[in-house]
Amino acid sequence: SQQGEEDPQALSIQEGENATMNCSYKTSINNLQWYRQNSGRGLVHLILIRSNEREKHSGRLRVTLDTSKKSSSLLITASRAADTASYFCATAHGNTGKLIFGQGTTLQVKP
Amino acid sequence: DVKVTQSSRYLVKRTGEKVFLECVQDMDHENMFWYRQDPGLGLRLIYFSYDVKMKEKGDIPEGYSVSREKKERFSLILESASTNQTSMYLCASKGGLRYGYTFGSGTRLTVV
Repeated sequence: SQQGEEDPQALSIQEGENATMNCSYKTSINNLQWYRQNSGRGLVHLILIRSNEREKHSGRLRVTLDTSKKSSSLLITASRAADTASYFCATAHGNTGKLIFGQGTTLQVKP
Repeated sequence: DVKVTQSSRYLVKRTGEKVFLECVQDMDHENMFWYRQDPGLGLRLIYFSYDVKMKEKGDIPEGYSVSREKKERFSLILESASTNQTSMYLCASKGGLRYGYTFGSGTRLTVV
């Protein structure tokens, strides 16, 4: 069953602009993760935020988590053409390590 | 870096064939997963394994089985391939709770 839902489904911006993607989920989580997928390839793990954390940074990435609203956002600052990809949020539940993925946001960064 | 290797990038099989998709990881991870990815449906979990010879059904196990005889290898088996199993198949492995998944490059399977 799909839990995470990303918004928007597609986003097109100019190089240098910031990109914000949102994710909502329905049930309680252990952690929430963001992944990137280049066309036709596997997913690459970007960042993990635990349920007791509110914000996390990694390079040009900033992730926030609001457990009261069951939502997260991924901000990519100063975007580059190489950031063009699909971005997925995924939520971890229980102790099996199983992740449930959203359907992703497709980001296009125009040079 | 952890590497997860899927044996084939592209595969074309006939309806009714038995198909094996192989996945190998090199970091001694206990947890391994098989997903399929379809347009409009996202990634859906087929099976996962948290130890050798252990397996758990995911959300869409019908028509599939798995094998984990060694820690590093997790195989997905399509017992009798059907056209609705045409998809991108993604294998992943995972270390501890603090870590994310490492995915393979995917196998795009076409059943004709």
